[in-house]
Amino acid sequence: AQSVSQHNHHVILSEAASLELGCNYSYGGTVNLFWYVQYPGQHLQLLLKYFSGDPLVKGIKGFEAEFIKSKFSFNLRKPSVQWSDTAEYFCAVKANFGNEKLTFGTGTRLTIIP
Amino acid sequence: DAGVIQSPRHEVTEMGQEVTLRCKPISGHNSLFWYRQTMMRGLELLIYFNNNVPIDDSGMPEDRFSAKMPNASFSTLKIQPSEPRDSAVYFCASSLGAGWEETQYFGPGTRLLVL
Repeated sequence: AQSVSQHNHHVILSEAASLELGCNYSYGGTVNLFWYVQYPGQHLQLLLKYFSGDPLVKGIKGFEAEFIKSKFSFNLRKPSVQWSDTAEYFCAVKANFGNEKLTFGTGTRLTIIP
Repeated sequence: DAGVIQSPRHEVTEMGQEVTLRCKPISGHNSLFWYRQTMMRGLELLIYFNNNVPIDDSGMPEDRFSAKMPNASFSTLKIQPSEPRDSAVYFCASSLGAGWEETQYFGPGTRLLVL
């Protein structure tokens, strides 16, 4: 069965700092990968996704993620964070076949200090 | 596009009462998902439907939980009887297709508090 690990539970950064949130998955086959964001009091929104092609994926709000197949990783990055990026970030993976469901990581809470 | 619509947005009830959560997926989407989010367990998939048929309900915690999708534009998640440990935010999501093209769009959630 597939699983997702987000090692950073809570990250605190100052504005303009660079961000990298880790995401590792365990599944040997082809996968679809996602990052979702949940702003305080709001619902989940899709930040970006990877299905195939260029392993460097660009999403909304200046976020990007790189799929490194050899490391089973899909880390989320942003070169310069803003206070408005304060939110919880969820990595998710889905095996690219059959009825495998979308599996979420436990989330990383990001706090940006002005 | 109205997005995924959930009602009610907030529900406070007493232990033992029946709770019904409602979801309207995005028009044209043929997969629907129910999730529960708690501080302790994070985001958990409870059940999902494809073309109104339940595909995987292995995440439904126990018999007190049931979900239906009578048509392509409506689904309910029912808890009977409710217990305090059911307090959580319940999200509904929908997607177009159930294969590798799947991207789920989430509703605003129903915040449930069982006293």
